[in-house]
Parts: sequence; structure tokens; C-alpha cells
Amino acid sequence: EAGVTQFPSHSVIEKGQTVTLRCDPISGHDNLYWYRRVMGKEIKFLLHFVKESKQDESGMPNNRFLAERTGGTYSTLKVQPAELEDSGVYFCASSQDFRGMGTGELFFGEGSRLTVL
Amino acid sequence: KQEVTQIPAALSVPEGENLVLNCSFTDSAIYNLQWFRQDPGKGLTSLLLIQSSQREQTSGRLNASLDKSSGRSTLYIAASQPGDSATYLCAVDTGANSKLTFGKGITLSVRP
Repeated sequence: EAGVTQFPSHSVIEKGQTVTLRCDPISGHDNLYWYRRVMGKEIKFLLHFVKESKQDESGMPNNRFLAERTGGTYSTLKVQPAELEDSGVYFCASSQDFRGMGTGELFFGEGSRLTVL
Repeated sequence: KQEVTQIPAALSVPEGENLVLNCSFTDSAIYNLQWFRQDPGKGLTSLLLIQSSQREQTSGRLNASLDKSSGRSTLYIAASQPGDSATYLCAVDTGANSKLTFGKGITLSVRP
């Protein structure tokens, strides 16, 4: 069974440009999460989808970030326009279970490294 | 606001040594706690998950304990090997939609 896959693995763009990151969760996982790690900081939550609905987007830094999950399958995270402080590693995670219905264990992808110059 | 601390940031030990990695959290009202491993340039691999009602979990040479009242968890690695070299991250789920709060991680180096 394929794990969580993310694309691209590394993206280098200039300030002001747009980048779109993609995440394919484990098949059958309704819950999809985006996390981010910027240099020297801990990994932080960005948002959570349950199927195609945004359950919690409290971690999104600002309105330059837009996440979508059309059809409840893969998700995209678009940054437009990118700023220098957006550089970091963006992780996607998925889980099958939800509150009261399992362990809540998250499975992470390998991350997409974004470098904004 | 939940905060997770992992100290020290880095640790170097000789092969074969038993070691303990520490994790502390400020809010004891957690749903579960997960330990992850991250190899350079790779994603996070879940090692152990402890539910709030549990005290410990074991997998092979790894044992994780949880003391909610004191806000602490430990990851015990028995008979360490060079292949155990990686960054180990502790994360707590505070019960809000499986939104994890991470520590910064401990980078472990096991010397042959």
C-alpha cells in the first residue's frame, strides 16, 4: 500500500511567484493535514481536512496560503505570492480514524521543501 | 497553549548504549502522544503512539512511557545501533481534531 506522497520534493522560486504543493494521502484516509517546519522551529499545524471540508484552518499563516481538497482525495496548498519567510518544509499527513473512532495515528509524507529567494 | 520541549537538542552515544530521550509538555489534557523518527531529507515515521489512558508502549528495542500528571514522556532505546541515528520528535494531540503540537526534536548520533 502506498504511503502519503508529496510533490514536488523541492521547489525553488523567487519572491512574488506562486507555488502549488500537492499531497496524495493514503487511500481511504478521510483526514488530511498540512504541517510546516521553518528553519530552526518546530513543526507546526496549518490545517485539517475531513474529506473535502476544512475542519480546522487555524494554523494558516495568512491569506496568501490557499488549501483545497477537491473530491476529498488529493490536496493542494498554493502560496501566492510567496515571501521569503515562507521557506521551509511542508509536510502532509493523513489518518483513517477520527475522534473516538481509533488511535488518531498520523502518517506523514516526506515533505516538500520550499525555498523562496 | 500547549508547548512541547525536548532537551537536549542533540545527543551522541557509543553503539550498544541504552538511552532515554525526554519530552515534556505543559498541558496534561492530551488525547495521545506520538514519537516520530525523521531521517535527513525524509518524512516522519511514526514509532510509537500512547493513548492518554496508557502508561507505556513497546515496539522491539523501543519503549515509550507517558506520565500525564507530570507532563512527561520518555523514549527508551535499548542497545543502540548506528542505524538508530536520526532526529526523534515528540508530538502531543490535545484532542482538537488530531492537531499535533511538536517538540523541536532530539538529533541522535550513535557512534560505531
